[in-house]
Amino acid sequence: GQQVMQIPQYQHVQEGEDFTTYCNSSTTLSNIQWYKQRPGGHPVFLIQLVKSGEVKKQKRLTFQFGEAKKNSSLHITATQTTDVGTYFCAGRSTDSWGKLQFGAGTQVVVTP
Amino acid sequence: EAGVTQFPSHSVIEKGQTVTLRCDPISGHDNLYWYRRVMGKEIKFLLHFVKESKQDESGMPNNRFLAERTGGTYSTLKVQPAELEDSGVYFCASSGQATTAFFGQGTRLTVV
Repeated sequence: GQQVMQIPQYQHVQEGEDFTTYCNSSTTLSNIQWYKQRPGGHPVFLIQLVKSGEVKKQKRLTFQFGEAKKNSSLHITATQTTDVGTYFCAGRSTDSWGKLQFGAGTQVVVTP
Repeated sequence: EAGVTQFPSHSVIEKGQTVTLRCDPISGHDNLYWYRRVMGKEIKFLLHFVKESKQDESGMPNNRFLAERTGGTYSTLKVQPAELEDSGVYFCASSGQATTAFFGQGTRLTVV
């Protein structure tokens, strides 16, 4: 079945540094979504990528969808303490109703 | 527009008891998902409803878990009898076809 793998599982970042989290699917995806979960909170939708090779930016966040639509990345520049949380990617399958399969998440800790 | 709502927000029960979690999706969303996050680990898929039908229940841990979606509207997830390892946060999410999934606040279940 479809599997979504996300690395790294844990990222310790100094404030001001950049980092990237990667998401890889075992199967071709219809689209991929990224979510952020703050400690004690619920996953909050960040962005959806649909097209092969698509790149989208949200302020300091850059999201990419691979050409084969099997991998994606999230790059954060100039990390701030507000970036703390767990970032999940979720791949949607290509079947009719598109099950969302989540990666394990990257837990981000930011030190001032 | 009302979001996805889950009830209760917290539940503490003894091992062997029964608990029923409820999820009210966003109106008009055919897709409804149940996920579970245990001990801050990955978000694990439990099952996926399309309207009132179970599209995929491959993530359900065992037959102590029963999910229903009455008339394709709200959904319930019953755990009977509950075991210690069932503790975690149960999230519900809903989406239209191939669109963004929105999450509820989650139900934190503690089995003691």
